Amino acid sequence: ELKVEQNPLFLSMQEGKNYTIYCNYSTTSDRLYWYRQDPGKSLESLFVLLSNGAVKQEGRLMASLDTKARLSTLHITAAVHDLSATYFCAVLEYGNKLVFGAGTILRVKS
Amino acid sequence: EAGVTQFPSHSVIEKGQTVTLRCDPISGHDNLYWYRRVMGKEIKFLLHFVKESKQDESGMPNNRFLAERTGGTYSTLKVQPAELEDSGVYFCASSLHPKKSGVSYNEQFFGPGTRLTVL
Repeated sequence: ELKVEQNPLFLSMQEGKNYTIYCNYSTTSDRLYWYRQDPGKSLESLFVLLSNGAVKQEGRLMASLDTKARLSTLHITAAVHDLSATYFCAVLEYGNKLVFGAGTILRVKS
Repeated sequence: EAGVTQFPSHSVIEKGQTVTLRCDPISGHDNLYWYRRVMGKEIKFLLHFVKESKQDESGMPNNRFLAERTGGTYSTLKVQPAELEDSGVYFCASSLHPKKSGVSYNEQFFGPGTRLTVL
């Protein structure tokens, strides 16, 4: 059974600082997703990582995937308040089933 | 293009009552999924429809849960009778078939969820 572990679960950051969220998964998968959720809103797709060594960047967020280590990271550069949200990683299991991490609640303080 | 919509946004019911949640996927999406997040836990897969057929219902917790997708458009998830442990947020997602979307991965688009509270 595929398990996805995400850490930290809660992250309080100062504006302008950098930090990384980690996502480990237990069995082989070739698709990893990062989602963002604002309170009461849908999960918004941020990145889809398809292959070993994949790196994608959008604004202050950068995601990478190491399939050998079964590890993905979401790096936040120079955090701003607008990045406050809950971030989920999810790994595609057989078929079309997504297995999610517990989520990281990110709070960026001014 | 409208996104995935869910109704109601919130539902508060008493233990033993019945509740029906509705999901309208993005138009043209053959794949429809239900997930739920129980308080403090991960978002967990419940089931997957391809058009009107149940492709995978391995995540359905028990026979108190019944999902339907008549006509392959919107879907309903009925909980009868509801128990306290059913409280949580129920998400619906939809996706195109990879052959239709032209991409190799299967991006799922999520609705805002229905928050169910069973008292």
